[in-house]
Amino acid sequence: NAGVTQTPKFQVLKTGQSMTLQCAQDMNHNSMYWYRQDPGMGLRLIYYSASEGTTDKGEVPNGYNVSRLNKREFSLRLESAAPSQTSVYFCASVPATGDKNIQYFGAGTRLSVL
Amino acid sequence: RKEVEQDPGPFNVPEGATVAFNCTYSNSASQSFFWYRQDCRKEPKLLMSVYSSGNEDGRFTAQLNRASQYISLLIRDSKLSDSATYLCVVGPYSTLTFGKGTMLLVSP
Repeated sequence: NAGVTQTPKFQVLKTGQSMTLQCAQDMNHNSMYWYRQDPGMGLRLIYYSASEGTTDKGEVPNGYNVSRLNKREFSLRLESAAPSQTSVYFCASVPATGDKNIQYFGAGTRLSVL
Repeated sequence: RKEVEQDPGPFNVPEGATVAFNCTYSNSASQSFFWYRQDCRKEPKLLMSVYSSGNEDGRFTAQLNRASQYISLLIRDSKLSDSATYLCVVGPYSTLTFGKGTMLLVSP
């Protein structure tokens, strides 16, 4: 059981380049989330998807787009990367049954924008 | 006012010590409370949920004070492996709010 898988683990971009961060979960969870974590800032929610076909903005959505491709996959796209988007990005998912409050995180993507 | 506030630490304690962290939250309508643990450069993982009556899991005890809007985490008999950052997290689940974390360093 892989849980939540994020790819890539590391990425370096130049300002203005675009890229998509991939996230997939194999736990049949309904809700999925994208966070960024910066030193001294804690985890901040970028976007989330309560179920397949729905997405909502979080605290810091500017500069990002998301796609809930299917129940398993939730991708985060940077259309024109900026140095301010240098961060560690975490994807998380939440089960539909049982304790709906526990978030399961992927290992993260470390992104540097030069 | 920040939604979830924690002392960033670090808390430096020797093995075997007891250490306590507090966290305050601003939204009185919050319903769900957790402590997550994050090791250096790793993803956060749930340590324990916090229930109104308080709860214990081995060496870890969590307490909730709704009137004063704070939660606490007590770690007894600290181990070297307890060294990590402890994140206070407050719900509802659709938009969990994470504190910035308290760093704990346990030394031999």
